[in-house]
Amino acid sequence: GENVEQHPSTLSVQEGDSAVIKCTYSDSASNYFPWYKQELGKRPQLIIDIRSNVGEKKDQRIAVTLNKTAKHFSLHITETQPEDSAVYFCAATEGYSTLTFGKGTMLLVSP
Amino acid sequence: DSGVTQTPKHLITATGQRVTLRCSPRSGDLSVYWYQQSLDQGLQFLIQYYNGEERAKGNILERFSAQQFPDLHSELNLSSLELGDSALYFCASSITPDRGGELFFGEGSRLTVL
Repeated sequence: GENVEQHPSTLSVQEGDSAVIKCTYSDSASNYFPWYKQELGKRPQLIIDIRSNVGEKKDQRIAVTLNKTAKHFSLHITETQPEDSAVYFCAATEGYSTLTFGKGTMLLVSP
Repeated sequence: DSGVTQTPKHLITATGQRVTLRCSPRSGDLSVYWYQQSLDQGLQFLIQYYNGEERAKGNILERFSAQQFPDLHSELNLSSLELGDSALYFCASSITPDRGGELFFGEGSRLTVL
C-alpha cells in the first residue's frame, strides 16, 4: 500500500517568512495529492490539491509542487501570518483507494 | 460547517466497555470514511463505506466494527475498550471514492477511556 512521509514534524517561522513542508510517497501510481489544514481543536480542511498531470498549482499565498520522478511534493506558504499556525497534513492516493495521510507538520508562526 | 455531523462530541468511558459513534454525511455524499487521530499519529484510516457497502479497510482492530445504513448515516462500534483507544475519531464524507476528491470532515468524537 501507499506510504507517505512528511517533514518536518514541527516548523517555527517568523511572521512574513516563507514555510515549506515536504512529503514523499511510495506508490508510483498515485495521482492525487491534497493538503489539509487542521487548526487547534478543529476538523481537517482541504486547502489545496494537485493532480499528477501538473507540476505546480498556486492559490494566493499557498502553492504546491509535484515531482513525479522523485515521488515527492511540497507545500509552500509565503508571507506567513499568525493565522497560518496549524497542523498541515499531506496525503496521496491513486484515486481508487483511500487517502493515505502523512503524520502532519505543526507550523507555528510568531508575530 | 462541513455538513458532516458527528455525535457524541465527547465520550468518557471505562476499559472493557463498548461505545458507538455516529456520523451523518453531507447531503448527497455516498461515501463515508472513519479516521482515528491519536497524539503524534496523524490521521489513521480505519474503514470506508460507499452506498451501504464496505469499500476499503485500513488499520481497524478486530474489536472495532462499522456499518452504513440505508439512509447513509454510519456508526463505528468500539468494544472491549483499552486505554490506548483514547483518541479523536473523525468521520468524513465525499461524493465519490474514485478519482480523488475532497473529503469533508466532521468535528470529531473525542473518546477518553479511563
